[in-house]
Amino acid sequence: DSGVTQTPKHLITATGQRVTLRCSPRSGDLSVYWYQQSLDQGLQFLIQYYNGEERAKGNILERFSAQQFPDLHSELNLSSLELGDSALYFCASSAPRGSSYNSPLHFGNGTRLTVT
Amino acid sequence: AQSVTQPDIHITVSEGASLELRCNYSYGATPYLFWYVQSPGQGLQLLLKYFSGDTLVQGIKGFEAEFKRSQSSFNLRKPSVHWSDAAEYFCAVGLNSGNTPLVFGKGTRLSVIA
Repeated sequence: DSGVTQTPKHLITATGQRVTLRCSPRSGDLSVYWYQQSLDQGLQFLIQYYNGEERAKGNILERFSAQQFPDLHSELNLSSLELGDSALYFCASSAPRGSSYNSPLHFGNGTRLTVT
Repeated sequence: AQSVTQPDIHITVSEGASLELRCNYSYGATPYLFWYVQSPGQGLQLLLKYFSGDTLVQGIKGFEAEFKRSQSSFNLRKPSVHWSDAAEYFCAVGLNSGNTPLVFGKGTRLSVIA
């Protein structure tokens, strides 16, 4: 158990809809990362937050947005969904408070999104 | 920009045989290097990491990896594979600046046969 919790585990929705994926990082971790995993693209980095602030942005579409709340949990919002958005969405956390090195990422079990 | 190449998409080995999964990276400085394993329906679990120091690093489940700067490689090895090792393996590289996103290779799927 990595200590990173993602909900829901599965999500089935229709094109054009909007969904919210939730992530609770490991206790004490300040950084949250979102990744998208699909068969053709592999693991693609979407966005990173550190202690509530956006830290880095990857291949995140404009239809997607995220935020990290004061309690450090994070939400990834996906809107105007398309068939191609069907994928596994992973959240990872790192950076325990007080750490000074590049601590490894610890991954949740993901949310499988199916857009029909 | 940094990149990671895992040249083998799928590898099949016999149980008890040795294993080596290849990983090459492209980055201007010495990166932080990681190997993760993903079992079906699961998240990614960290097997081992290299930050600095001894270029041969030991991980969990009997895995080890060797960092070779001259070859820009970080190959994963295990002397004797168990059926439970069947999974997808990902090599990843991080910037040497702390708490930055990892760039992942496309993964190598390992099948183990009796």
